[in-house]
Amino acid sequence: DAGVIQSPRHEVTEMGQEVTLRCKPISGHDYLFWYRQTMMRGLELLIYFNNNVPIDDSGMPEDRFSAKMPNASFSTLKIQPSEPRDSAVYFCASTPNFGNPGTDTQYFGPGTRLTVL
Amino acid sequence: AQRVTQPEKLLSVFKGAPVELKCNYSYSGSPELFWYVQYSRQRLQLLLRHISRESIKGFTADLNKGETSFHLKKPFAQEEDSAMYYCALLYNFNKFYFGSGTKLNVKP
Repeated sequence: DAGVIQSPRHEVTEMGQEVTLRCKPISGHDYLFWYRQTMMRGLELLIYFNNNVPIDDSGMPEDRFSAKMPNASFSTLKIQPSEPRDSAVYFCASTPNFGNPGTDTQYFGPGTRLTVL
Repeated sequence: AQRVTQPEKLLSVFKGAPVELKCNYSYSGSPELFWYVQYSRQRLQLLLRHISRESIKGFTADLNKGETSFHLKKPFAQEEDSAMYYCALLYNFNKFYFGSGTKLNVKP
């Protein structure tokens, strides 16, 4: 099992460009999360989905950020237009049991390191 | 509002010394707390959850509701414990927050 798959692993782009990050969750996991990791703010939850439906997007920083999950095996996080302050590592995670403290374990992808020049 | 606070960004200890990574939370109800760890070149992964009252790799964490803390402890640190540690809070069964993380460096 390859676990959660993210692509690309590294992305360098110029300010103003559109960026699309991709995630494939573990098969059978009904919950998918997008996180952003920075030195200053640590790990922030941006949005999460349950059965492909966005449940909580209160962590999405601005309208420039959008996320979709067209099916159970694929999700995207898009930034348009990108800005230098968006530079961070973006993680995707999935779990079959969110909210159950006895079994909830989030499985993380390797992350995408985004640099916006 | 900052719901999970990890006051130390970096903690350095010598091998064999005790280590305590601090975590404080803000929640008046019954919290569920976790510690996640990210070793170098590895994925972020669950280390332990308070509800299980388990010891993993020699680490333990006790929930102290009076002090609203969930500090991670190990009596004798090993070099392989060097990693980034995140405390996390789950409440209302659907709200999940990570702290800002503490980098543990265990020196030989």
